[in-house]
Amino acid sequence: QKQLQESGPGLVKPSETLSLTCTVSGGSISSSSYYWGWIRQPPGKGLEWIGSIYYSGSTYYNPSLKSRVTISVDTSKNQFSLTLSSVTGADTAVYYCASLFSGHYRYWGPGTLVTVSS
Amino acid sequence: SSVLTQPPSVSVAPGKTARITCGGNNIGSKSVHWYQQKPGQAPVLLISYDSDRPSGIPERFSGSNSGNTATLTISRVEAGDEADYYCQVWDNISDHVVFGGGTKLTVL
Repeated sequence: QKQLQESGPGLVKPSETLSLTCTVSGGSISSSSYYWGWIRQPPGKGLEWIGSIYYSGSTYYNPSLKSRVTISVDTSKNQFSLTLSSVTGADTAVYYCASLFSGHYRYWGPGTLVTVSS
Repeated sequence: SSVLTQPPSVSVAPGKTARITCGGNNIGSKSVHWYQQKPGQAPVLLISYDSDRPSGIPERFSGSNSGNTATLTISRVEAGDEADYYCQVWDNISDHVVFGGGTKLTVL
């Protein structure tokens, strides 16, 4: 069973860049069966898909965030990462990493709260 | 990209049946997945491929999908089922993931 764990700063200043890493254990991130994704949830609101990456590096982003988002993968560390630039208070959310298998998210990290504030 | 519409809230008495819908244009042609999220916790996969229950999910949870509506059915509702429920599809043309807006299930 795969385990995922998000890590990164819990506080980011407005206009700066949010950076998070997801470490995968219990399986290789290079598995051809999985995509790896980021999902966020603003306080009191629903889930929002941010984007996905395949181990080969192919990426897919939510059109509403595409201009500010980069997802990358480091197969040597079994990690994938999220950067979100020019953040505002609207980017305050719990950020989840998860494994996408055949169109659904079977394994999720516990989530990490990122607050955008000066 | 797909748009998935869920009712914001559903209320049900203990022991009764709750039905949570997920509407979308021709959603019956896609595989719909359902998640349960309790306060302060990450979502948990409840139903995959319209009606498959992952190991460990009680038989009280079932799903169906046809036409423009997918439905999550919870039989013999318990107090512990009170949670937010989300439907999700994967658009295999754009490789984009779409979530419904979520439904809060209240057990009366």
